[in-house]
Amino acid sequence: QVQLQESGPGLVKPSQTLSLTCTMSGASISSGSYYYNWIRQPAGKGLEWIGRVYSDGNTNYNPSLKSRVSISVDTSKNQFSLKVASVTAADTAFYYCATEEFDWFDPWGEGIKVTVSS
Amino acid sequence: QSVLTQPPSASGTPGQRVTISCSGSTSNIGSVTVNWYKHLPGTAPKLLIFNYNQRPAGVPDRISGSKSGTSASLAISGLQSEDEADYYCAAWDDSLDVWLFGGGTKLTVL
Repeated sequence: QVQLQESGPGLVKPSQTLSLTCTMSGASISSGSYYYNWIRQPAGKGLEWIGRVYSDGNTNYNPSLKSRVSISVDTSKNQFSLKVASVTAADTAFYYCATEEFDWFDPWGEGIKVTVSS
Repeated sequence: QSVLTQPPSASGTPGQRVTISCSGSTSNIGSVTVNWYKHLPGTAPKLLIFNYNQRPAGVPDRISGSKSGTSASLAISGLQSEDEADYYCAAWDDSLDVWLFGGGTKLTVL
């Protein structure tokens, strides 16, 4: 079955760019009609949808983050990526990737904790 | 940005039935599908209910979902200690073009 795994630095300095990768196994990222999503959870808060990229490269972003976020797909590596620019402490969170074949998220990755601190 | 409203907490004793509500609007719950996720912080959220009331394989039938107008509900009967977790509703919003999550409900099994 499809499995997802997030990777990237666990510590990012303020004003820098946060970069995370989600590696998919069990299926080809270039086959089928999937959306590839990023979702985060700040400590003590609920889940927040960041955005998604379709298998053809089209994207949707949360308007609250749109000016700082970029999501892309790398079919050669079977990965999709997230970049968040100009990070602050408010971007400290657990970050999850998830696939969306129909109108729900399944599966999700285990998540990766990212702390923004100098 | 929790446009979907959930109660912050719910509780019950083993064997009881609990329900968790999720209130939205005509541009989200009222017009599109609603999904429910079970989450233990620091672990992968798990799809519990999709399309209002459909269960993925492996989810027991004591867990059910429903929708009425612009609100949805998750019901868990025969409450067990393993049900203690955070539960989130989610829906796409046609006006905002975003996925929305409810604020989450922490379920405690007393």
